[in-house]
Amino acid sequence: DGGITQSPKYLFRKEGQNVTLSCEQNLNHDAMYWYRQDPGQGLRLIYYSQIVNDFQKGDIAEGYSVSREKKESFPLTVTSAQKNPTAFYLCASQTGSGNTIYFGEGSWLTVV
Amino acid sequence: GQQLNQSPQSMFIQEGEDVSMNCTSSSIFNTWLWYKQDPGEGPVLLIALYKAGELTSNGRLTAQFGITRKDSFLNISASIPSDVGIYFCAGHSGSNYKLTFGKGTLLTVNP
Repeated sequence: DGGITQSPKYLFRKEGQNVTLSCEQNLNHDAMYWYRQDPGQGLRLIYYSQIVNDFQKGDIAEGYSVSREKKESFPLTVTSAQKNPTAFYLCASQTGSGNTIYFGEGSWLTVV
Repeated sequence: GQQLNQSPQSMFIQEGEDVSMNCTSSSIFNTWLWYKQDPGEGPVLLIALYKAGELTSNGRLTAQFGITRKDSFLNISASIPSDVGIYFCAGHSGSNYKLTFGKGTLLTVNP
């Protein structure tokens, strides 16, 4: 099936640990995104990447890091510097400037 | 970051009723998108609008790109229980790589 695959669906993290959320797309899209969603809230942009080996900070990049070594992959690392990481994380991709954005099914991260 | 004002924040309606929700912005948008999100899932694209004044339908859903390019609305006709969810508006303004989202409208349909 074509689409955007996020894994894992559920992840628990101890305080002080880094965790990495995976995002893979087989849609041949150029741009990829990471959003954070808190309960009852809208989506906030963490990082985005327009092309391989390039990425830009979004509105809430502090405490997160990304890489874009391959077109189809855009992993997000939630570092120990992120003070309130419990949230629903959404990966998305887009074919090019101005076109629609499609989302993965999301990953729940809980700090225990 | 930039914000869209989406209203209403929530709606509780009876099955069969029509629904209307809207988004406004203080700045001009080049694209308006409407998404639906079910609990624990990613948003699914419902309708995309690319031209001012454009009116687009998708089954029982109709959305319009405001002529001023600063607003959009989504209508759902003859609501059914599976319409329950959170509806988000989103748009591109300036940089087409940064999509701004409204805070969502929570729709509850009473059978």
